Amino acid sequence: NAGVMQNPRHLVRRRGQEARLRCSPMKGHSHVYWYRQLPEEGLKFMVYLQKENIIDESGMPKERFSAEFPKEGPSILRIQQVVRGDSAAYFCASSTEAGTDTQYFGPGTRLTVL
Amino acid sequence: DAKTTQPNSMESNEEEPVHLPCNHSTISGTDYIHWYRQLPSQGPEYVIHGLTSNVNNRMASLAIAEDRKSSTLILHRATLRDAAVYYCILRDDGTASKLTFGTGTRLQVTL
Repeated sequence: NAGVMQNPRHLVRRRGQEARLRCSPMKGHSHVYWYRQLPEEGLKFMVYLQKENIIDESGMPKERFSAEFPKEGPSILRIQQVVRGDSAAYFCASSTEAGTDTQYFGPGTRLTVL
Repeated sequence: DAKTTQPNSMESNEEEPVHLPCNHSTISGTDYIHWYRQLPSQGPEYVIHGLTSNVNNRMASLAIAEDRKSSTLILHRATLRDAAVYYCILRDDGTASKLTFGTGTRLQVTL
């Protein structure tokens, strides 16, 4: 049973470009979470999605960031017009249920903005 | 989610037990105590969780104080591969699913 997969593992973008980060949850998991870890800082929740629906986006910056989890295919975290401050590790997690169910994390995508 | 307090760092010798403390004095009756760890350059990894009773699994043990205001994660025999940041997280059963990470405890394991 493959774990949570994220790609790309490393992504380099120039300021103003778009970044698309993909997350394939574990088989049978319909809940996806995105977290961001800025350099030398802790993990911060961004958004929680359940197939085709955004359940909680309280941690998402109001501008330039969006997330989706379509009926078919991976979850996508999209960052438009990236800035240097977006450089961070972005982790995706998935679970079978909501509430206090265990979240399984992917290896992360390390975004570098030049 | 209620707040937790952990020491910033701890050290252990390999093959010795490690006790990682966590204080959560404002815990509510429906808060579960979860532990995750993050190895260098990796995503977080679930370790263990409990509500009231002590819990054991293949990775660790969780000892929960009778008043639930504190808990201790126990690694019975630390190895170099256990060097990581350990996070103690409270999660309210039935409400928001997000994990709220604090600063955690950075565990160093030496030979």
